Amino acid sequence: GQNIDQPTEMTATEGAIVQINCTYQTSGFNGLFWYQQHAGEAPTFLSYNVLDGLEEKGRFSSFLSRSKGYSYLLLKELQMKDSASYLCANTDKLIFGTGTRLQVFP
Amino acid sequence: NAGVTQTPKFQVLKTGQSMTLQCAQDMNHEYMSWYRQDPGMGLRLIHYSVGAGITDQGEVPNGYNVSRSTTEDFPLRLLSAAPSQTSVYFCASSSGGWGEKLFFGSGTQLSVL
Repeated sequence: GQNIDQPTEMTATEGAIVQINCTYQTSGFNGLFWYQQHAGEAPTFLSYNVLDGLEEKGRFSSFLSRSKGYSYLLLKELQMKDSASYLCANTDKLIFGTGTRLQVFP
Repeated sequence: NAGVTQTPKFQVLKTGQSMTLQCAQDMNHEYMSWYRQDPGMGLRLIHYSVGAGITDQGEVPNGYNVSRSTTEDFPLRLLSAAPSQTSVYFCASSSGGWGEKLFFGSGTQLSVL
């Protein structure tokens, strides 16, 4: 199966760190994407993990553990503009999770 | 820098009407796909194409047709619209297979009454 699970909503404070988790079924797994989607807009690419470990890109990092079927997106020094939905997707036919809506408060 | 262009941005249909959502990309991408996004359901793959002349079904293909006569264009056709097809539709493209990042169009908000 291709089930992907993410928390539905999260809240955090400006300047803080937040971790958004994503679990997936490991059968048919090729790699994992993270996309950001602001309300009313199209998703945009954030990161791609195919090997275990942490990939860092500025304030955003993404981690993958293939054996555990687990990934997380780490957002540091949160800004108000980070309020958005964050979607993880299995590259095997690009099955998306339902997304995590993050709200950042002052 | 057009990228992926979708038209129209908004559309209202009556049940039973037909229409075509247009999608074009100018990046010479081989892979193109259509998704629908509903509240609480995330993005669901409708149809995809790995090159001109090749299309295949995704998770939720029923009620939709596609064709890929050129590399640039990948229209999505609703032959007889139903209220269950009320959704936001996104077209996307990528340069390669499943491991390449997707570039999305700006979306079409479709309401079927």
